[in-house]
Amino acid sequence: DTAVSQTPKYLVTQMGNDKSIKCEQNLGHDTMYWYKQDSKKFLKIMFSYNNKELIINETVPNRFSPKSPDKAHLNLHINSLELGDSAVYFCASRGQNTIYFGEGSWLTVV
Amino acid sequence: GNSVTQMEGPVTLSEEAFLTINCTYTATGYPSLFWYVQYPGEGLQLLLKATKADDKGSNKGFEATYRKETTSFHLEKGSVQVSDSAVYFCALLYNQGGKLIFGQGTELSVKP
Repeated sequence: DTAVSQTPKYLVTQMGNDKSIKCEQNLGHDTMYWYKQDSKKFLKIMFSYNNKELIINETVPNRFSPKSPDKAHLNLHINSLELGDSAVYFCASRGQNTIYFGEGSWLTVV
Repeated sequence: GNSVTQMEGPVTLSEEAFLTINCTYTATGYPSLFWYVQYPGEGLQLLLKATKADDKGSNKGFEATYRKETTSFHLEKGSVQVSDSAVYFCALLYNQGGKLIFGQGTELSVKP
């Protein structure tokens, strides 16, 4: 069973579109995250939720809106996609002293 | 602020060579330290971790020791294989506050 799963794995879309990436964890953790990996492989946190409450928002444009319907799910919705949004987006969840990552979602905006 | 610095890549080695990837950190308090690995086209996998000073994390022949006096967590492997080719990320995490802070990643390429 995959501990942190995210869909879709690959997404190619046009500028200006709206898209969502879904994430689910079956680890029973309270805290989940979204990270962005840019073309130089640099990883930066975007958001963190604890038990459905937003606790970290790292100056991400408000075109990005996370939604947590329950503590096992943290979805990322992106409005009006721009070329610069092309990246790999990783969902993660936190257990005791360790953070587990999903397989990543490769987003390409054309 | 808290930060992690890794040695610049790419690092290119021959199979069976000894590997060291340097990692130093700046932090207040006592974070936990991690190495994650990303194989080509794949996600992030936890390689090893250490939660307190002098702890040694180890996995798949890789080791790293949490050195508080030098604020370092260098990754080592005695004999690398072609299959170790990947990007390696050093990271720190506080027990409170919650966010994992990454170094910039070091690409390793192992040639047969």
